[in-house]
Amino acid sequence: GENVEQHPSTLSVQEGDSAVIKCTYSDSASNYFPWYKQELGKRPQLIIDIRSNVGEKKDQRIAVTLNKTAKHFSLHITETQPEDSAVYFCAASTNSGYSTLTFGKGTMLLVSP
Amino acid sequence: SQTIHQWPATLVQPVGSPLSLECTVEGTSNPNLYWYRQAAGRGLQLLFYSVGIGQISSEVPQNLSASRPQDRQFILSSKKLLLSDSGFYLCAWSGGLPSTSGVETQYFGPGTRLLVL
Repeated sequence: GENVEQHPSTLSVQEGDSAVIKCTYSDSASNYFPWYKQELGKRPQLIIDIRSNVGEKKDQRIAVTLNKTAKHFSLHITETQPEDSAVYFCAASTNSGYSTLTFGKGTMLLVSP
Repeated sequence: SQTIHQWPATLVQPVGSPLSLECTVEGTSNPNLYWYRQAAGRGLQLLFYSVGIGQISSEVPQNLSASRPQDRQFILSSKKLLLSDSGFYLCAWSGGLPSTSGVETQYFGPGTRLLVL
């Protein structure tokens, strides 16, 4: 089955800095890669996703890149703000009609003012 | 638009007691439904998923079970809770009609926080 590794487990940055979280996956058939943000005590919220036919996707301050050959994908957050502090999860799935997501273990991002 | 509800929001139960958590989805038909558990400070563990009424697939063998008695209702149950069942239980949906995103995009409910004492 699919295995997703996520690094780092904790990331501390100063407000205004950039943050990068990296994930690798094992199943070359995976073709969908979402990122979720989970604030303390809340549900995971989808913030951006990318499909295997695209190499990069941006949405304001966040971007995701995908390298299918190396089987890794990354989340980039620019100009970080204290409200970006949360746990971020990457995931991978194959679109097989019902799509079970395999999640990474999460990265706790702390943005200091 | 689609919304997903879970109840109760929090629950404190003694060891050995039964459990029933409910999840309902509005604004879509024939969604795929999922149950996840998140232990404190940990990642998301898929417990069950369902592609239709009465169709349940289990990912992890345990003392939990799931049922889908109606198209937009997903229930997580246990006959006897263990201490290790404590955690944050999240229901999610994907797909469905009308289609507003890919079948693989999952959206989570607000969750039920369960403490077994």
